[in-house]
Amino acid sequence: GEDVEQSLFLSVREGDSSVINCTYTDSSSTYLYWYKQEPGAGLQLLTYIFSNMDMKQDQRLTVLLNKKDKHLSLRIADTQTGDSAIYFCAERDTTNYGGSQGNLIFGKGTKLSVKP
Amino acid sequence: GAVVSQHPSRVICKSGTSVKIECRSLDFQATTMFWYRQFPKQSLMLMATSNEGSKATYEQGVEKDKFLINHASLTLSTLTVTSAHPEDSSFYICSAREREVTQYFGPGTRLLVL
Repeated sequence: GEDVEQSLFLSVREGDSSVINCTYTDSSSTYLYWYKQEPGAGLQLLTYIFSNMDMKQDQRLTVLLNKKDKHLSLRIADTQTGDSAIYFCAERDTTNYGGSQGNLIFGKGTKLSVKP
Repeated sequence: GAVVSQHPSRVICKSGTSVKIECRSLDFQATTMFWYRQFPKQSLMLMATSNEGSKATYEQGVEKDKFLINHASLTLSTLTVTSAHPEDSSFYICSAREREVTQYFGPGTRLLVL
Protein backbone atom coordinates (compact mmCIF):
# COMPACT_ATOMS: atom_id res chain seq x y z
CA GLY A 1 0.00 0.00 0.00
CA GLU A 2 0.89 3.64 -0.03
CA ASP A 3 3.54 4.79 2.39
CA VAL A 4 5.02 8.11 3.42
CA GLU A 5 8.43 8.30 5.08
CA GLN A 6 10.03 11.13 7.01
CA SER A 7 13.03 11.48 9.25
CA LEU A 8 11.89 11.76 12.86
CA PHE A 9 14.00 14.63 14.16
CA LEU A 10 15.61 17.84 12.96
CA SER A 11 17.43 20.40 15.06
CA VAL A 12 18.43 23.84 13.81
CA ARG A 13 19.55 27.16 15.24
CA GLU A 14 17.27 30.17 15.22
CA GLY A 15 17.74 32.15 12.02
CA ASP A 16 18.98 29.19 10.00
CA SER A 17 16.96 27.46 7.29
CA SER A 18 15.25 24.15 8.04
CA VAL A 19 14.71 21.51 5.40
CA ILE A 20 12.33 18.68 6.16
CA ASN A 21 12.31 15.81 3.70
CA CYS A 22 9.66 13.28 2.80
CA THR A 23 9.37 10.38 0.38
CA TYR A 24 6.16 8.80 -0.81
CA THR A 25 5.27 5.75 -2.82
CA ASP A 26 2.11 6.54 -4.78
CA SER A 27 3.28 8.06 -8.04
CA SER A 28 -0.29 8.91 -8.98
CA SER A 29 -0.84 11.19 -5.97
CA THR A 30 -2.37 14.41 -7.19
CA TYR A 31 -1.74 16.55 -4.13
CA LEU A 32 0.90 16.53 -1.43
CA TYR A 33 0.59 18.41 1.82
CA TRP A 34 2.54 19.76 4.76
CA TYR A 35 0.87 20.08 8.14
CA LYS A 36 2.22 21.46 11.42
CA GLN A 37 1.25 20.11 14.81
CA GLU A 38 2.12 21.91 18.03
CA PRO A 39 2.03 20.00 21.34
CA GLY A 40 -1.46 18.96 22.35
CA ALA A 41 -3.03 20.57 19.31
CA GLY A 42 -4.57 19.50 16.03
CA LEU A 43 -2.97 19.81 12.63
CA GLN A 44 -2.56 23.10 10.87
CA LEU A 45 -2.44 23.04 7.09
CA LEU A 46 0.72 24.88 6.05
CA THR A 47 0.73 24.39 2.33
CA TYR A 48 0.08 21.92 -0.43
CA ILE A 49 1.41 21.34 -3.91
CA PHE A 50 -0.22 19.92 -6.98
CA SER A 51 1.69 17.10 -8.60
CA ASN A 52 2.31 18.97 -11.86
CA MET A 53 4.29 21.63 -9.99
CA ASP A 54 7.97 21.53 -9.06
CA MET A 55 7.99 24.30 -6.52
CA LYS A 56 5.66 26.42 -4.48
CA GLN A 57 6.67 29.35 -2.33
CA ASP A 58 4.61 30.98 0.36
CA GLN A 59 6.40 33.60 2.46
CA ARG A 60 9.04 31.71 4.50
CA LEU A 61 7.94 28.33 3.20
CA THR A 62 9.23 26.70 0.03
CA VAL A 63 8.00 23.32 -1.13
CA LEU A 64 10.02 21.35 -3.66
CA LEU A 65 8.62 18.33 -5.43
CA ASN A 66 10.71 15.82 -7.35
CA LYS A 67 8.08 13.61 -8.87
CA LYS A 68 10.59 11.29 -10.51
CA ASP A 69 12.17 10.43 -7.16
CA LYS A 70 8.87 10.81 -5.25
CA HIS A 71 10.57 13.25 -2.93
CA LEU A 72 8.97 16.24 -1.26
CA SER A 73 10.70 18.81 0.89
CA LEU A 74 9.67 21.76 3.01
CA ARG A 75 12.14 24.56 3.53
CA ILE A 76 11.52 27.08 6.29
CA ALA A 77 13.63 30.20 5.90
CA ASP A 78 14.80 32.17 8.95
CA THR A 79 13.53 29.51 11.35
CA GLN A 80 12.13 30.88 14.60
CA THR A 81 11.55 29.25 17.98
CA GLY A 82 7.84 29.42 17.25
CA ASP A 83 8.42 27.03 14.36
CA SER A 84 9.26 24.26 16.81
CA ALA A 85 6.62 21.59 16.20
CA ILE A 86 6.04 18.30 14.45
CA TYR A 87 5.70 18.56 10.68
CA PHE A 88 3.70 15.96 8.80
CA CYS A 89 3.98 15.22 5.14
CA ALA A 90 0.84 13.70 3.57
CA GLU A 91 -0.20 12.41 0.19
CA ARG A 92 -3.66 12.04 -1.21
CA ASP A 93 -4.75 8.41 -1.30
CA THR A 94 -5.68 7.84 -4.92
CA THR A 95 -6.80 4.27 -4.36
CA ASN A 96 -9.86 5.58 -2.59
CA TYR A 97 -10.23 8.61 -4.77
CA GLY A 98 -13.74 9.39 -5.71
CA GLY A 99 -16.32 12.04 -5.08
CA SER A 100 -16.11 11.70 -1.35
CA GLN A 101 -12.94 9.82 -0.60
CA GLY A 102 -9.34 10.84 -1.20
CA ASN A 103 -8.21 10.45 2.36
CA LEU A 104 -4.73 11.64 3.36
CA ILE A 105 -1.90 9.27 4.17
CA PHE A 106 0.50 10.74 6.69
CA GLY A 107 4.13 10.21 7.48
CA LYS A 108 5.15 9.74 11.10
CA GLY A 109 6.12 13.37 11.41
CA THR A 110 9.41 15.21 11.83
CA LYS A 111 9.98 16.93 15.14
CA LEU A 112 11.68 20.24 14.51
CA SER A 113 13.57 21.73 17.43
CA VAL A 114 14.80 25.30 17.11
CA LYS A 115 17.60 26.37 19.42
CA PRO A 116 18.01 30.04 20.31
CA GLY B 1 -7.80 29.08 6.37
CA ALA B 2 -11.08 27.47 7.29
CA VAL B 3 -11.82 26.63 10.92
CA VAL B 4 -12.81 23.27 12.36
CA SER B 5 -13.74 22.99 16.02
CA GLN B 6 -13.99 19.99 18.29
CA HIS B 7 -15.76 19.61 21.59
CA PRO B 8 -14.81 18.68 24.21
CA SER B 9 -11.08 19.27 24.09
CA ARG B 10 -10.50 16.91 27.00
CA VAL B 11 -12.66 14.28 28.62
CA ILE B 12 -12.08 11.84 31.44
CA CYS B 13 -14.61 9.09 31.93
CA LYS B 14 -15.09 5.84 33.75
CA SER B 15 -14.72 2.51 32.00
CA GLY B 16 -18.01 1.38 30.49
CA THR B 17 -19.45 4.80 29.81
CA SER B 18 -19.99 6.36 26.39
CA VAL B 19 -18.42 9.58 25.21
CA LYS B 20 -19.56 11.81 22.35
CA ILE B 21 -17.16 14.08 20.49
CA GLU B 22 -18.43 16.79 18.18
CA CYS B 23 -16.68 18.12 15.11
CA ARG B 24 -17.91 21.30 13.44
CA SER B 25 -16.83 23.18 10.37
CA LEU B 26 -17.41 26.78 11.42
CA ASP B 27 -17.21 28.77 8.21
CA PHE B 28 -17.72 26.27 5.43
CA GLN B 29 -19.85 23.30 4.53
CA ALA B 30 -18.16 19.93 4.55
CA THR B 31 -19.71 17.05 2.69
CA THR B 32 -16.88 14.84 3.92
CA MET B 33 -15.37 14.66 7.37
CA PHE B 34 -12.69 12.29 8.61
CA TRP B 35 -12.01 10.89 12.06
CA TYR B 36 -8.46 10.05 13.07
CA ARG B 37 -6.83 8.61 16.13
CA GLN B 38 -3.31 9.54 17.18
CA PHE B 39 -1.21 7.62 19.67
CA PRO B 40 1.66 9.35 21.49
CA LYS B 41 4.51 10.22 19.14
CA GLN B 42 2.75 8.47 16.30
CA SER B 43 1.18 9.53 13.07
CA LEU B 44 -2.54 9.86 12.50
CA MET B 45 -4.52 6.71 11.88
CA LEU B 46 -7.68 7.12 9.85
CA MET B 47 -10.64 5.54 11.60
CA ALA B 48 -13.51 6.41 9.30
CA THR B 49 -14.77 8.68 6.58
CA SER B 50 -18.04 10.42 7.27
CA ASN B 51 -20.33 11.63 4.51
CA GLU B 52 -23.27 13.88 5.16
CA GLY B 53 -26.54 12.00 5.07
CA SER B 54 -25.06 8.54 4.64
CA LYS B 55 -23.34 5.85 6.65
CA ALA B 56 -19.71 6.26 7.53
CA THR B 57 -17.03 4.17 5.87
CA TYR B 58 -14.80 2.50 8.44
CA GLU B 59 -11.21 1.48 7.97
CA GLN B 60 -10.20 -2.11 8.43
CA GLY B 61 -9.89 -3.06 12.07
CA VAL B 62 -12.09 -0.24 13.37
CA GLU B 63 -15.24 -1.50 15.09
CA LYS B 64 -18.22 0.41 13.74
CA ASP B 65 -20.41 -0.63 16.68
CA LYS B 66 -17.88 0.77 19.12
CA PHE B 67 -17.13 4.00 17.30
CA LEU B 68 -20.46 5.39 16.15
CA ILE B 69 -20.27 8.19 13.62
CA ASN B 70 -23.11 10.46 12.65
CA HIS B 71 -22.81 13.18 10.03
CA ALA B 72 -26.18 14.81 10.42
CA SER B 73 -25.50 18.08 8.65
CA LEU B 74 -22.96 19.74 6.38
CA THR B 75 -21.27 21.33 9.39
CA LEU B 76 -21.46 18.68 12.11
CA SER B 77 -20.14 15.17 12.57
CA THR B 78 -20.10 13.29 15.87
CA LEU B 79 -18.04 10.36 17.08
CA THR B 80 -19.41 8.35 19.99
CA VAL B 81 -17.08 5.96 21.75
CA THR B 82 -19.45 3.41 23.26
CA SER B 83 -18.64 1.45 26.39
CA ALA B 84 -15.20 3.03 26.56
CA HIS B 85 -12.29 1.10 28.01
CA PRO B 86 -8.79 2.23 29.01
CA GLU B 87 -7.36 1.05 25.69
CA ASP B 88 -9.62 3.59 23.95
CA SER B 89 -7.70 6.40 25.64
CA SER B 90 -6.16 8.42 22.86
CA PHE B 91 -6.15 11.70 20.97
CA TYR B 92 -9.02 11.87 18.51
CA ILE B 93 -8.82 14.38 15.67
CA CYS B 94 -11.43 15.20 13.09
CA SER B 95 -10.93 16.92 9.78
CA ALA B 96 -13.25 18.40 7.21
CA ARG B 97 -12.75 18.79 3.51
CA GLU B 98 -13.57 22.25 2.24
CA ARG B 99 -13.14 21.59 -1.46
CA GLU B 100 -11.57 18.70 -3.28
CA VAL B 101 -8.09 19.92 -2.36
CA THR B 102 -8.00 21.26 1.16
CA GLN B 103 -8.59 19.36 4.36
CA TYR B 104 -8.66 21.21 7.67
CA PHE B 105 -8.20 19.64 11.06
CA GLY B 106 -9.83 20.24 14.39
CA PRO B 107 -7.77 20.85 17.54
CA GLY B 108 -8.31 17.30 18.78
CA THR B 109 -9.98 15.69 21.79
CA ARG B 110 -7.93 14.00 24.48
CA LEU B 111 -9.86 11.04 25.88
CA LEU B 112 -8.77 9.34 29.09
CA VAL B 113 -10.72 6.30 30.23
CA LEU B 114 -10.14 5.28 33.82
